[in-house]
Amino acid sequence: DAGVIQSPRHEVTEMGQEVTLRCKPISGHNSLFWYRQTMMRGLELLIYFNNNVPIDDSGMPEDRFSAKMPNASFSTLKIQPSEPRDSAVYFCASSIRGGYTFGSGTRLTVV
Amino acid sequence: DQQVKQNSPSLSAQEGRISILNCDYTNSMFDYFLWYKKYPAEGPTFLISISSIKDKNEDGRFTVFLNKSAKHLSLHIVPSQPGDSAVYFCAASLRGAQKLVFGQGTRLTINP
Repeated sequence: DAGVIQSPRHEVTEMGQEVTLRCKPISGHNSLFWYRQTMMRGLELLIYFNNNVPIDDSGMPEDRFSAKMPNASFSTLKIQPSEPRDSAVYFCASSIRGGYTFGSGTRLTVV
Repeated sequence: DQQVKQNSPSLSAQEGRISILNCDYTNSMFDYFLWYKKYPAEGPTFLISISSIKDKNEDGRFTVFLNKSAKHLSLHIVPSQPGDSAVYFCAASLRGAQKLVFGQGTRLTINP
C-alpha cells in the first residue's frame, strides 16, 4: 500500500496563476479530506468528500478555491487565481471508518 | 473561530523526563479526541485517542487525559525520547461526524 499520494510536493507560482494540487487516496477508503496547514490556524479543513460526493465545503476560503473528485482514486484542489496569502502546506487525507491517513502534503508558495 | 486550541506553539523537555502537551476545546458536543504527530516533510500520523466516556487512555509511553468539565485534554509522554521531537496536533470530532477539527499544533523539542 503506497499510502495517500499527493503531487506535486512543492509548487512555486506567481500571483494570479492557476494552481492545481492532486491527490490519490488509499484504495478502498471512501472519504477524502483536503486540509491546509498554516502557523496561525494549524490544520484547517477545506472540504471533504464521501463516496466521491462533496459533503462539507464550508472551509473553502472563497470562490477562488474549487475541489473535485471525479472518481474514487483521484481528487484535485484548484486555486484560480492564486494569491500570496494562499501560501501554505496543503494536505490530503483519506479514511475508512474514521481512521485518517494523510499524504505528505504539497508546499505551495505564491510569489 | 478556533474550536480546538493549542496555546503553546512550542515547548521543550529533557530526554528521559515527562513532556506534557495541552489542548483546549470550546464545543461541548465533541465526543472523540485524538493526537497526531507530524515530522517535517511528512503528513500527520495518528498517535492516540480518547472517547468522551473515558478520562484517561494509555498506550505505552503515551497517555491522554480528558477533563470534560474544563474542556481540556493533555498528552503525557514518559519518558521523552529524542524521536519524540515533532509537531503535535490535537483534534476533535462530533459524534457520528467524519471530519476532524484540529488545533494549531505544538512543536516539541526533546533535548539530550
